[in-house]
Amino acid sequence: DAKTTQPPSMDCAEGRAANLPCNHSTISGNEYVYWYRQIHSQGPQYIIHGLKNNETNEMASLIITEDRKSSTLILPHATLRDTAVYYCIVRASQGGSEKLVFGKGTKLTVNP
Amino acid sequence: GAVVSQHPSRVICKSGTSVKIECRSLDFQATTMFWYRQFPKQSLMLMATSNEGSKATYEQGVEKDKFLINHASLTLSTLTVTSAHPEDSSFYICSAESWWGRGTDTQYFGPGTRLTVL
Repeated sequence: DAKTTQPPSMDCAEGRAANLPCNHSTISGNEYVYWYRQIHSQGPQYIIHGLKNNETNEMASLIITEDRKSSTLILPHATLRDTAVYYCIVRASQGGSEKLVFGKGTKLTVNP
Repeated sequence: GAVVSQHPSRVICKSGTSVKIECRSLDFQATTMFWYRQFPKQSLMLMATSNEGSKATYEQGVEKDKFLINHASLTLSTLTVTSAHPEDSSFYICSAESWWGRGTDTQYFGPGTRLTVL
């Protein structure tokens, strides 16, 4: 079973920031938070991941609370192409071969 | 970087035939590859994990004799659906990961293969 809880759907206006929340209250000390997204009929796309510090890359920012029980993925300027299902996944990342368990994710719709 | 390809992207076959799907890591060596299946309006479900040169590990409920996985090299894994039936129609997605004993590892996904069994 997925160890995360996400809202089933969200809407965002084009050009505005999209803030996608994720709860992972049972996260373990060696588990990272990963975010992927899946555009319709495509394979998931890796976005970002982090352990406890906030992370930023060219796609998004990841804000992890100090207690690590929740996080927020931020798309700073959403475009129509960001419409997708976003998955928040916790996963141990030591030793390799750790599987990803996908929950239902959040369907983000970016409106013009 | 970190590109994973799948071939074919779409396949239609008759019931009872076998279908092979290839997954390649194009710009990195994948120590581990994963195979997922996704039915309409559902999330991805892991089918099996394969490490190069060893037998695949199948998830509970996945028939290993029906879904044959071969991971013969660090850049290629194949999934063969044997004696396919209409209920095997699905979106099959592979992912590849490299881990060389340091840092974190990330799975990168292929574009998926749409299998339709008539």
